[in-house]
Formats: sequence, C-alpha cells, structure tokens
Amino acid sequence: AQKITQTQPGMFVQEKEAVTLDCTYDTSDQSYGLFWYKQPSSGEMIFLIYQGSYDEQNATEGRYSLNFQKARKSANLVISASQLGDSAMYFCAMRELSTSGSARQLTFGSGTQLTVLP
Amino acid sequence: KAGVTQTPRYLIKTRGQQVTLSCSPISGHRSVSWYQQTPGQGLQFLFEYFSETQRNKGNFPGRFSGRQFSNSRSEMNVSTLELGDSALYLCASTLGLSGELFFGEGSRLTVL
Repeated sequence: AQKITQTQPGMFVQEKEAVTLDCTYDTSDQSYGLFWYKQPSSGEMIFLIYQGSYDEQNATEGRYSLNFQKARKSANLVISASQLGDSAMYFCAMRELSTSGSARQLTFGSGTQLTVLP
Repeated sequence: KAGVTQTPRYLIKTRGQQVTLSCSPISGHRSVSWYQQTPGQGLQFLFEYFSETQRNKGNFPGRFSGRQFSNSRSEMNVSTLELGDSALYLCASTLGLSGELFFGEGSRLTVL
C-alpha cells in the first residue's frame, strides 16, 4: 500500500496567488515526521518544512505552511504569494520513528509539478 | 556552513562497469542516507549509515553497496551496471537519527 499519496501530478498557479499541494499518508505508528521538499530542475532536494506527529500547531516557514490534519492523515503544503521561482517538483515525505527514537527511512510521494504563471 | 557535497555530479558508464559515488555530509552530521530517483520508480531508499554502521537497507540487489568512513563521508558502489541503474543518486545527511534530511545536488548516472 502507498504510504504517501500525492494526487496532483501537476498544478498551475498565478503569480502572487496561494496554492495548496495535497498529501495524504498512511502509518500505524504514533510517532512520525512529515516533510516537504522542493526539487528544481537542477536536481537538488531542498528542505521546506517539517511537522512532527505530536506537534499541535501547524508548522510555518515563511511563505510555506503545513496544514496538518492528523485524523484525516493529511499534510497539505500551502504556498502563499507564489513566485516564479516556486516552479518546481514538490515532494511530500514521511519518516516513521520507533519508540526507541531511531528512525526508519524517508518515504516519498510521487510528487507534484508546480508551475507558476506570470 | 557547507552543504552536502556529492561527487561526481555527472557520469556516463557502460553496462557491466562499476561505479563509485561519494558524499560528504554537512559538518557535524553523522547520519548519511542514499536514495535513487528514476522517472518510473520515483525516489527509493537505498541505505542509511550512522557512525560507520549500516542501519537500514532498502530493497535493492546486492550489486548496490555502501560504506561510511570515520569522518562521516560515505560512498556507494554499484557493480555490474545495468541500463536500469541510470538515475539520479541523492545523498542526504542528518544530525542525529530522526532530524530533517538535507540533500546534496545528486550524482546523475547514465548507463549506456
């Protein structure tokens, strides 16, 4: 079964508008972390934002915020005031943690290609 | 603070050859993990090292191997290359065992 699902292969947004990229996840663990990465055409994976499963507040980092709905197992990324430089592939990922604190590997979704239109 | 450095950035090999990729983590980071990215399979976990010990291994054949040195630098090796090994190989480092992963720019391998 898919652990991370990103249902939007591609998204378009007008410059300066907000956009939401969807991500749902599947885990039976109580302790886990959710990540969003941006991958421009150069290939580098750029860390954007992190949400721990026990964090009560939604994570925010500048123009990025994570809409975390634990009961629905969703972790959508919201980008406010889109810029042309935001055009890239965006990946949602999850890292499950054991009770001992050691972590399993990062599991990635299939990604969403975001295009910001001028 | 220097980021994760991967070398070489690009390389071309032929079937049957072997290749070694190198990754220098962010200074102070002790955990290094490797991922393979292909258009068909997406991002797949290869292995993770912490303090020179392999902690996790993904579902890849034994042709894929890795190691970590005492300075936390890591190498991965692929022997008897196949066309399907053409991919972007990404290395990531993290401070401990459960923190954010910081990725390098990747090594793009083409197998002819």
